Amino acid sequence: DQQVKQNSPSLSVQEGRISILNCDYTNSMFDYFLWYKKYPAEGPTFLISISSIKDKNEDGRFTVFLNKSAKHLSLHIVPSQPGDSAVYFCAASVASGSARQLTFGSGTQLTVLP
Amino acid sequence: EAQVTQNPRYLITVTGKKLTVTCSQNMNHEYMSWYRQDPGLGLRQIYYSMNVEVTDKGDVPEGYKVSRKEKRNFPLILESPSPNQTSLYFCASSRREGEKLFFGSGTQLSVL
Repeated sequence: DQQVKQNSPSLSVQEGRISILNCDYTNSMFDYFLWYKKYPAEGPTFLISISSIKDKNEDGRFTVFLNKSAKHLSLHIVPSQPGDSAVYFCAASVASGSARQLTFGSGTQLTVLP
Repeated sequence: EAQVTQNPRYLITVTGKKLTVTCSQNMNHEYMSWYRQDPGLGLRQIYYSMNVEVTDKGDVPEGYKVSRKEKRNFPLILESPSPNQTSLYFCASSRREGEKLFFGSGTQLSVL
């Protein structure tokens, strides 16, 4: 059973508009969340993260929102640019003994249309 | 330049022929991990290592082996590859487990 779910395999947005990518999780013990971006033929690269003690983190055009009660995470990209077209993975982390485990969602392909 | 280097980028092999995918990082990271990416399943962890000589199974370890004899290297070994191991593989490292991961460029493996 997937603990981190990205229910939209793909999303298309017009350039200049807002892109909203969603992620749901089931494990209430997750306390750190990350978004990665992946271009074709490249490895994923870290984009932005948020701790469970916050509900919002912003970095330039990228903002991540966390709704703990709904177990829901979203990434907002404003304004969207064609170079943002990529697969976006959300990931959630939980402490497990002395270590931490990271679980990824299945990814959302974002296409920003010029 | 800080990076995670995987080799080869592409590999085609036949069932049962042992192969090794190499991974090296130059950031002195303690934590290293292998993932496979399959359509609709995202990134699933195969094995991870929290430090030299410390390795542990991830979510999908069957059919794989790893070793961590040096801090910088974390090879993935398929002793007897099977077609269901055809996938895109990523090596990753981080300063410590649970922190931001740095990924290699991936290895596309096809097992015929």
